[in-house]
Amino acid sequence: GENVEQHPSTLSVQEGDSAVIKCTYSDSASNYFPWYKQELGKRPQLIIDIRSNVGEKKDQRIAVTLNKTAKHFSLHITETQPEDSAVYFCAASQNQFYFGTGTSLTVIP
Amino acid sequence: EADIYQTPRYLVIGTGKKITLECSQTMGHDKMYWYQQDPGMELHLIHYSYGVNSTEKGDLSSESTVSRIRTEHFPLTLESARPSHTSQYLCASSDNLLAGGYNEQFFGPGTRLTVL
Repeated sequence: GENVEQHPSTLSVQEGDSAVIKCTYSDSASNYFPWYKQELGKRPQLIIDIRSNVGEKKDQRIAVTLNKTAKHFSLHITETQPEDSAVYFCAASQNQFYFGTGTSLTVIP
Repeated sequence: EADIYQTPRYLVIGTGKKITLECSQTMGHDKMYWYQQDPGMELHLIHYSYGVNSTEKGDLSSESTVSRIRTEHFPLTLESARPSHTSQYLCASSDNLLAGGYNEQFFGPGTRLTVL
């Protein structure tokens, strides 16, 4: 089956700096890669996703890149703000969803 | 508004009790999922379903069962609750990629279960 690894597990950045979270996957059949943001006590929310026929996607301050050959994808957050503080999960999917173990991001004002 | 609903939102129950966690979605999705998650930690897949009368086991399926009699409804039953079941349970749904859907998965608000 699929195996998704996510790094780092915790990340602290100064407000205004960039944050990068990286994930790798093992199954080349996976073709959909979403990223979720989960604030304390709330449900995971889809923030951006990318499909295997695209190498990069951007939505305002967040972007995702995908390298199918190397089987890794990354989340980039620029100009971080305190409200970006949350746990972020990556996932890889063809039918089922396989999640990474999460990254706790803290943005220091 | 299309959404995923879970009841109860909070439940405190004694060891050995049988409980059913309810999940309903008005997203029009075929696929539904149950995950177990300790706060801020990894999501563990318990069960999933591709559609009516379809149920599959995930990584943590032991000691629980699900049913899918209606497209919009996917209840999870713990036959005999134990303290180790104390956790948050998240229901999710997604479209059917093979039927032309986008496969985006959305989560319900969760049920926080405490077993004493």
